[in-house]
Amino acid sequence: EAGVAQSPRYKIIEKRQSVAFWCNPISGHATLYWYQQILGQGPKLLIQFQNNGVVDDSQLPKDRFSAERLKGVDSTLKIQPAKLEDSAVYLCASSSTSGIYNEQFFGPGTRLTVL
Amino acid sequence: DQQVKQNSPSLSVQEGRISILNCDYTNSMFDYFLWYKKYPAEGPTFLISISSIKDKNEDGRFTVFLNKSAKHLSLHIVPSQPGDSAVYFCAASVYGGSQGNLIFGKGTKLSVKP
Repeated sequence: EAGVAQSPRYKIIEKRQSVAFWCNPISGHATLYWYQQILGQGPKLLIQFQNNGVVDDSQLPKDRFSAERLKGVDSTLKIQPAKLEDSAVYLCASSSTSGIYNEQFFGPGTRLTVL
Repeated sequence: DQQVKQNSPSLSVQEGRISILNCDYTNSMFDYFLWYKKYPAEGPTFLISISSIKDKNEDGRFTVFLNKSAKHLSLHIVPSQPGDSAVYFCAASVYGGSQGNLIFGKGTKLSVKP
């Protein structure tokens, strides 16, 4: 079974530029999560999708971050414009169900550096 | 405010000995707890979990203990192996809350010396 795929693996941009990350979850997983992990911290949930609907985006900085999951499969996370404090690893995870004791499977992450 | 706390940033253990990683939480609504293991340049991988109706869950060399009254859980690895060297994250969730939203601690870096 293929795992969660993410691209790119690394990205370096200047502040105020835009950037987009892509995630392909495990086949058949209805729930998809985007986490932000700042150096020295644990992952923090940004947004959760159930199929193509948003379940929780309470911690997503909506003035600059956006995410979509068209057709309930792949997802993209965008930052526009980027700030220095957005430097972090962006992790995508998926699970087969939501709301019960489910295991989340994580991708390798995209390391973003904002200069 | 941190709802899940891992107060030891690092832990060094000799191969063959026991590794004990600790985690404290403040939200009494948490009812499911997980441990994830993370190697450099990889995403976290699920290790073991425990629901609040239990006080112990065992899987091979890994055992998680939950003390609800103290709001404390621990992960025991016996015997520790060099391949266990990684960052370990404690995570918690509320069933029926944000539908599986995990709250993570900051992690503990475990080094197992040969």
